[in-house]
Amino acid sequence: NAGVTQTPKFRVLKTGQSMTLLCAQDMNHEYMYWYRQDPGMGLRLIHYSVGEGTTAKGEVPDGYNVSRLKKQNFLLGLESAAPSQTSVYFCASSRAATGGKNTEAFFGQGTRLTVV
Amino acid sequence: AQKITQTQPGMFVQEKEAVTLDCTYDTSDQSYGLFWYKQPSSGEMIFLIYQGSYDEQNATEGRYSLNFQKARKSANLVISASQLGDSAMYFCAMREGPGGTASKLTFGTGTRLQVTL
Repeated sequence: NAGVTQTPKFRVLKTGQSMTLLCAQDMNHEYMYWYRQDPGMGLRLIHYSVGEGTTAKGEVPDGYNVSRLKKQNFLLGLESAAPSQTSVYFCASSRAATGGKNTEAFFGQGTRLTVV
Repeated sequence: AQKITQTQPGMFVQEKEAVTLDCTYDTSDQSYGLFWYKQPSSGEMIFLIYQGSYDEQNATEGRYSLNFQKARKSANLVISASQLGDSAMYFCAMREGPGGTASKLTFGTGTRLQVTL
């Protein structure tokens, strides 16, 4: 029972390099999210998706792109990494509902990204 | 404006005592859900408890309860009989109702709880 799996767990990039973070979930969830976590700022939503083929911007989308070509996968891309993108990135997924029991988001283990 | 406000950056509680972690929220929707998560030092996000906007009773899950005051837009987490293993960051989150934002899940900045002997 894998749940939500993020790849990779750690990465060091040089300024200007690009990379893609992969999130995979096996719970058939409609909603998927990408967050970044920085000290004192909680989790801030970067992009999210309400279903296969759809994406939407969150609070801090600049410098990131996403794609959801398959329901189970949600990719986060950094086209030209900057030191300000040094952070811990979390992917999450949930059922398609506002609330109710069993609508909580399930999280991956996080990706620690350092941009030097 | 902040959607979720957690005003306590850090809290201390003695083992076996109860502690309340504050959370206020801002929404104009009638339908919304409130969630609390725990993040231990290992980094994973652990779901604790859920409260729906239409729920008349406060949610409870073991030692966790949610003090839901709808008119004041507050959803405070109460941890009873604190244990050393409760030391962690705690996040309050909200998912709002229909109308385009139903899928967003917004988090507060968190409260770091330290349980002492």
